[in-house]
Amino acid sequence: AQSVTQLDSHVSVSEGTPVLLRCNYSSSYSPSLFWYVQHPNKGLQLLLKYTSAATLVKGINGFEAEFKKSETSFHLTKPSAHMSDAAEYFCVVSEQAGTASKLTFGTGTRLQVTL
Amino acid sequence: GAVVSQHPSWVICKSGTSVKIECRSLDFQATTMFWYRQFPKQSLMLMATSNEGSKATYEQGVEKDKFLINHASLTLSTLTVTSAHPEDSSFYICSARGSREGRETQYFGPGTRLLVL
Repeated sequence: AQSVTQLDSHVSVSEGTPVLLRCNYSSSYSPSLFWYVQHPNKGLQLLLKYTSAATLVKGINGFEAEFKKSETSFHLTKPSAHMSDAAEYFCVVSEQAGTASKLTFGTGTRLQVTL
Repeated sequence: GAVVSQHPSWVICKSGTSVKIECRSLDFQATTMFWYRQFPKQSLMLMATSNEGSKATYEQGVEKDKFLINHASLTLSTLTVTSAHPEDSSFYICSARGSREGRETQYFGPGTRLLVL
């Protein structure tokens, strides 16, 4: 069985400072991992995905994540937060590499960006 | 722009009535559609998976007679909440998977907020 744990339910950063959203996963097989962002009243948007290629994955809007098998982690980072980054972020795991046939979502991390 | 739409975006209904939610893939053919439910401040929980032209596969604990799913075409899936009760109030999100611009991909709809009075 697969599962994902987002270690922080809420993260607050100042604009211009780095962002770190933590995610640990559990999977019986080689997982595919994703980060999605959900803005209020909008659909989930894919930020980036890992599918057994390069362990450092670059996504949209300056976000990136590093797959660390030894730590079973897939933390999301951004060097400099922007006000528009305030949203809910979900770490997602799928055991079927290549296609997200059945996604398991983490509980989400709400990112707050202050002036 | 959006590639998966949902209608309505929000609905308020009386207890005991049925509500239908539509999910459409706008510019690609969705061979598989997923329906999720999200409670406030919680994660998305998969309710069911449907493939075009076949019966939906429901997750454990989801009542198939209460949440009717139809995937009649490659661009449309519907979720009908039958005899809705206040505990069915939630945010329902669909997701469509298929080939778009030559790649297998999956997109999420904007969600439908249901309030049952």
